[in-house]
Amino acid sequence: DVKVTQSSRYLVKRTGEKVFLECVQDMDHENMFWYRQDPGLGLRLIYFSYDVKMKEKGDIPEGYSVSREKKERFSLILESASTNQTSMYLCASSFGLAGIYEQYFGPGTRLTVT
Amino acid sequence: RKEVEQDPGPFNVPEGATVAFNCTYSNSASQSFFWYRQDCRKEPKLLMSVYSSGNEDGRFTAQLNRASQYISLLIRDSKLSDSATYLCVVNIRSSASKIIFGSGTRLSIRP
Repeated sequence: DVKVTQSSRYLVKRTGEKVFLECVQDMDHENMFWYRQDPGLGLRLIYFSYDVKMKEKGDIPEGYSVSREKKERFSLILESASTNQTSMYLCASSFGLAGIYEQYFGPGTRLTVT
Repeated sequence: RKEVEQDPGPFNVPEGATVAFNCTYSNSASQSFFWYRQDCRKEPKLLMSVYSSGNEDGRFTAQLNRASQYISLLIRDSKLSDSATYLCVVNIRSSASKIIFGSGTRLSIRP
């Protein structure tokens, strides 16, 4: 079974802090994704990576950066956390051509910025 | 207009009923279509892909109507365990930046 794990289930940070969210997948998937999910807005893509050190901006990349140094690990960085980044963050992975095949999601990190 | 639209519900139906959801998409270049299921406070999981010819998996049937640009999900003989939010997902031109999730339709099955 594919397993996608995220470093924290719940996180509370202060405004201005630098925040790291880690995601690891164990199925050698090429593609990894970071989404945020907010009520009424659905899942919105923040960043996507299709290979090590490769990344593409999604719909809402402002205020975020990512790092993919190893194939199995994809990190989301909030450079200076703000209250409007309070959200559920979901990592996903998939193989092959992105968007064609199933995405496997991690359990999510609920981030609160105070 | 949103690129992918779903009726948010909630749909509240009795156990054993048949329920159907639609999802409309605005981009005619959309190529791949999926239904995901998300339980409360859990991550989304693939329910089924949607193929041009339509496909069925047990009590679940998915249809694609390219002319009218919508996909549908039909659940027959609904169970209490079907209570969840159902997310429609559309992929445009095989680009990751164009994987669009709908906001979801909430379904509640009552005994």
